[in-house]
Amino acid sequence: KAGVTQTPRYLIKTRGQQVTLSCSPISGHRSVSWYQQTPGQGLQFLFEYFSETQRNKGNFPGRFSGRQFSNSRSEMNVSTLELGDSALYLCASSYLGQGSQNEQFFGPGTRLTVL
Amino acid sequence: DAKTTQPPSMDCAEGRAANLPCNHSTISGNEYVYWYRQIHSQGPQYIIHGLKNNETNEMASLIITEDRKSSTLILPHATLRDTAVYYCIVRVGSSNTGKLIFGQGTTLQVKP
Repeated sequence: KAGVTQTPRYLIKTRGQQVTLSCSPISGHRSVSWYQQTPGQGLQFLFEYFSETQRNKGNFPGRFSGRQFSNSRSEMNVSTLELGDSALYLCASSYLGQGSQNEQFFGPGTRLTVL
Repeated sequence: DAKTTQPPSMDCAEGRAANLPCNHSTISGNEYVYWYRQIHSQGPQYIIHGLKNNETNEMASLIITEDRKSSTLILPHATLRDTAVYYCIVRVGSSNTGKLIFGQGTTLQVKP
């Protein structure tokens, strides 16, 4: 099975711009979660989507949003970028079905740099 | 906030067992202990999880104390490729959610 893929892998933007990151989960996985990782704050949960619905949300401003499509692929969007949004953005997928271990499978991440 | 406490860093000699401790004194009866690791600049990788019995898989062993307030992840024969940040996470294993709350983890340095 192919793993979780994220595109693009690297991105450079300037303050005030917006950005869209994409995540393709493992085939059959319906849950997609997004995380932000920075040296200062570590790994922080952004939000989770399941069957096209946002099910959980972390403590991030409304500039961070996401969506999930019917094929379970997910996108996250950050508007009005700030310098502090520079981070590694990780996507994770999970089966979350009967009998599963509920483990999360992470993608390689998208490294966003805001100048 | 994370419900676990881990030492910030540990060293281990290559070929020796690496024992990584984790305290989770407020764990609830239906919460599992999960371990993930993150090798530099990669996404975290699932290692193992358990409820109250000791668990073993091809990567590691997990020892959970009888009162479930602490646990130890054991890498039986550490290699240089095991150098990573190891995260201990407590969550409801049967929960219908993918949300994970990460703490600061333990940076394990395996030395030749």
